[in-house]
Amino acid sequence: SAVISQKPSRDICQRGTSLTIQCQVDSQVTMMFWYRQQPGQSLTLIATANQGSEATYESGFVIDKFPISRPNLTFSTLTVSNMSPEDSSIYLCSATTMEGDGNEQFFGPGTRLTVL
Amino acid sequence: AQSVAQPEDQVNVAEGNPLTVKCTYSVSGNPYLFWYVQYPNRGLQFLLKYITGDNLVKGSYGFEAEFNKSQTSFHLKKPSALVSDSALYFCAVRDFTGRRALTFGSGTRLQVQP
Repeated sequence: SAVISQKPSRDICQRGTSLTIQCQVDSQVTMMFWYRQQPGQSLTLIATANQGSEATYESGFVIDKFPISRPNLTFSTLTVSNMSPEDSSIYLCSATTMEGDGNEQFFGPGTRLTVL
Repeated sequence: AQSVAQPEDQVNVAEGNPLTVKCTYSVSGNPYLFWYVQYPNRGLQFLLKYITGDNLVKGSYGFEAEFNKSQTSFHLKKPSALVSDSALYFCAVRDFTGRRALTFGSGTRLQVQP
């Protein structure tokens, strides 16, 4: 298994500003992902964080709004840019530790973002 | 594209009674299925998975799930519910593209009454 930490755990931000969320895994992982969980809803994949290259974004998510970095195998950041109240969500980092098709993903505790 | 359905927004059960949280899926090829639990103000915790083999999968905290290919279901079960089992439960299916991300159901809130 892997232990995933995120910083900050929560934040309240003003409209138009940006917030960078950090994700740290305690072991080397093959893949890292960022999800969004809007209030009372399920998880939606934002992007796959690729080490050393641009992230792979899902439909409806763009790099200008959600720039992602992954400089090494254990660390990734997600920035929420030019925030609006609609960006208020929980943002979760996830990772899988092994090769193979059926390995479970582990999740960080999430970052609860409120945009005023 | 794959999808997961959790038909019940909430399930209520008395402590000590058996519980079932339903999940059906749609995927081309063989499914890789997962159950996660989310407690308030916490991230998701992995409960169990079905990859291949025995249709009855046992997981953490006494939970188990039964894979039924003909009904495309993967219902979560526990023989005797605890109040501490009250949480939000998500069923998920693994993506078959190279990114290996999960597609989640809408979630079912389990409420166990003392």
